[in-house]
Amino acid sequence: GENVEQHPSTLSVQEGDSAVIKCTYSDSASNYFPWYKQELGKGPQLIIDIRSNVGEKKDQRIAVTLNKTAKHFSLHITETQPEDSAVYFCAASRGGSYIPTFGRGTSLIVHP
Amino acid sequence: GAGVSQSPRYKVAKRGQDVALRCDPISGHVSLFWYQQALGQGPEFLTYFQNEAQLDKSGLPSDRFFAERPEGSVSTLKIQRTQQEDSAVYLCASSQGSGASTDTQYFGPGTRLTVL
Repeated sequence: GENVEQHPSTLSVQEGDSAVIKCTYSDSASNYFPWYKQELGKGPQLIIDIRSNVGEKKDQRIAVTLNKTAKHFSLHITETQPEDSAVYFCAASRGGSYIPTFGRGTSLIVHP
Repeated sequence: GAGVSQSPRYKVAKRGQDVALRCDPISGHVSLFWYQQALGQGPEFLTYFQNEAQLDKSGLPSDRFFAERPEGSVSTLKIQRTQQEDSAVYLCASSQGSGASTDTQYFGPGTRLTVL
């Protein structure tokens, strides 16, 4: 089955800095890669996703890049703000499957 | 309501007790998922419903776990004879479509189950 590795487990940055979270996956058939933000006491919320036919996608301060050859994808947050502090999860799923495999999460702390 | 709701938000059970966790999905959503999230881990799939049909229960860890969605809306996850290893947050998610990998899943806040 699919295995998703996520790094780092904790990331501490100063407000205004950029943050990068990296994930690797094992199943070459995976073709959909969502990213979720989970705030304390809440369920995960989809923030951005990317499909395998695209190398990069951007939405305001967040962007995701995908390297299918190397089987890794990354989340980039620019101009971080304290409200970006949360746990971020990457996930991967293959076409025809509704079951995403999640990484173990990255706790992002943005210091004001 | 506007989002997925779950109740109770917190549940403490003594080992051996049965528990029932409820999920109210977004109105009209066809697909409903249950996940288990252990502390410091990502969510892990338990089971999937399309309307009232339970199409996949491959993630249920044992026969003590049972889920139903009798009328294709509200779902209940039941755990019988709870064990300490069942302690986790149980997340429910729903999506509008019939479970395609790219359908956005909307998660509820979860139920934190603690088994003493």
